[in-house]
Amino acid sequence: DTVMTQTPLSLSVTPGQPASISCKSSQSLLLGNGKTYLHWYVQKPGQSPQLLIYEVYNRFSGVPDRFSGSGSGTDFTLEISRVEADDVGVYYCMQGFHLRTFGQGTKVEIK
Amino acid sequence: EVQLLESGGGLVQPGGSLRLSCAASGFTFSSSAMSWVRQAPGKGLEWVSGLSASGGLTYYADSMEGRFTISRDNSKSTLYLQVNSLRAEDTAIYYCAKDAFRSDGSTRPPFEYWGLGTLVSVSS
Repeated sequence: DTVMTQTPLSLSVTPGQPASISCKSSQSLLLGNGKTYLHWYVQKPGQSPQLLIYEVYNRFSGVPDRFSGSGSGTDFTLEISRVEADDVGVYYCMQGFHLRTFGQGTKVEIK
Repeated sequence: EVQLLESGGGLVQPGGSLRLSCAASGFTFSSSAMSWVRQAPGKGLEWVSGLSASGGLTYYADSMEGRFTISRDNSKSTLYLQVNSLRAEDTAIYYCAKDAFRSDGSTRPPFEYWGLGTLVSVSS
């Protein structure tokens, strides 16, 4: 099984400041077609999860450009350039290379 | 507008069974892979099972194989999850989500859309 490890597990951020979440996979998520199957989701309080970023750096429809993804192979990062109150929630990375596995989640709060 | 509406959850005794349903609308269901994802109270997300667009290929998380059976009825645009021999640790919100497997030739991302979930509680 592919294990996904996120750090930190919680983050308290001042509005307007940046935030960064790391996600590491136990095996490479790069397929021979050149695509890397690492995706990010957010679950806001009381809501269902929603897709944020797919294949490392592609923002899903409607996602603000404050959100960006980077990384390769086994190491990935989600960055929020300027955190807003609406960004509160739990952020999950997920590998789609072999079936699906989620990271433990990172809870983002506002200071 | 895409809608996924789960149903079939409830309180069930340990050892019992449930069949969860997910009614889809707003997209071409018969061309879309689908999955179930669950979330135990206060815990993270856990992928349970997925199904190709045609229904010909089924996928299960290692820990789910045996007691869970995923299926679909494309004529009704409905996804199902049969869960047998329920245990307390199966207590969770079960979400259905539009998925995309490479085996279907899909280039869409997984889990573009999610339902609101249905709660399964296993307790005596």
